[in-house]
Amino acid sequence: SQQGEEDPQALSIQEGENATMNCSYKTSINNLQWYRQNSGRGLVHLILIRSNEREKHSGRLRVTLDTSKKSSSLLITASRAADTASYFCATDPSNAGNNRKLIWGLGTSLAVNP
Amino acid sequence: EAQVTQNPRYLITVTGKKLTVTCSQNMNHEYMSWYRQDPGLGLRQIYYSMNVEVTDKGDVPEGYKVSRKEKRNFPLILESPSPNQTSLYFCASSLSGTDRGPQPQHFGDGTRLSIL
Repeated sequence: SQQGEEDPQALSIQEGENATMNCSYKTSINNLQWYRQNSGRGLVHLILIRSNEREKHSGRLRVTLDTSKKSSSLLITASRAADTASYFCATDPSNAGNNRKLIWGLGTSLAVNP
Repeated sequence: EAQVTQNPRYLITVTGKKLTVTCSQNMNHEYMSWYRQDPGLGLRQIYYSMNVEVTDKGDVPEGYKVSRKEKRNFPLILESPSPNQTSLYFCASSLSGTDRGPQPQHFGDGTRLSIL
């Protein structure tokens, strides 16, 4: 069953602008993961944030997690045309955090215009 | 290079003709999983495996079989494919998070199946 919901479903911005995507979920989690999918390709892992973490950075990516609101956001700063892709959040509800059954959102489609 | 390899990448076939999609990873990962991706439905898990000889159903296992005889391989078998199994399929793998803490999944490039 799908519990992650990304918001917005689609986002179009100009190169150089920041892009923010949100993910909401319903049950308690061990961790939350963000992935990117270029058109027709496999998903690529971006960032994993554990339930006891509030913020993580990786290059131009910043992820926040608010477990009280059951939500996460992914910020891409200074976007580039190459960031054009779909972005998915996945939550791991297991106590062990072992990926047994990740729950995936439907994704945000990001278009970065040159 | 660390990778998850799926074959074939594309396949058009007919209803009822058994087919196998292979998945192989070279990262010594314990965990492997199969997903299908459909417009408006997102990624749905078909089967997963926590280690050799250990497999379990995901959310949409009907019409599919898997096996995990070796650590590196996790084939997906459609014994009697039907048109509703037309989809984009992904294999993924990861280290076990049980002792190491949560681990990211690595995905193959996908297999686009069309069942006529």
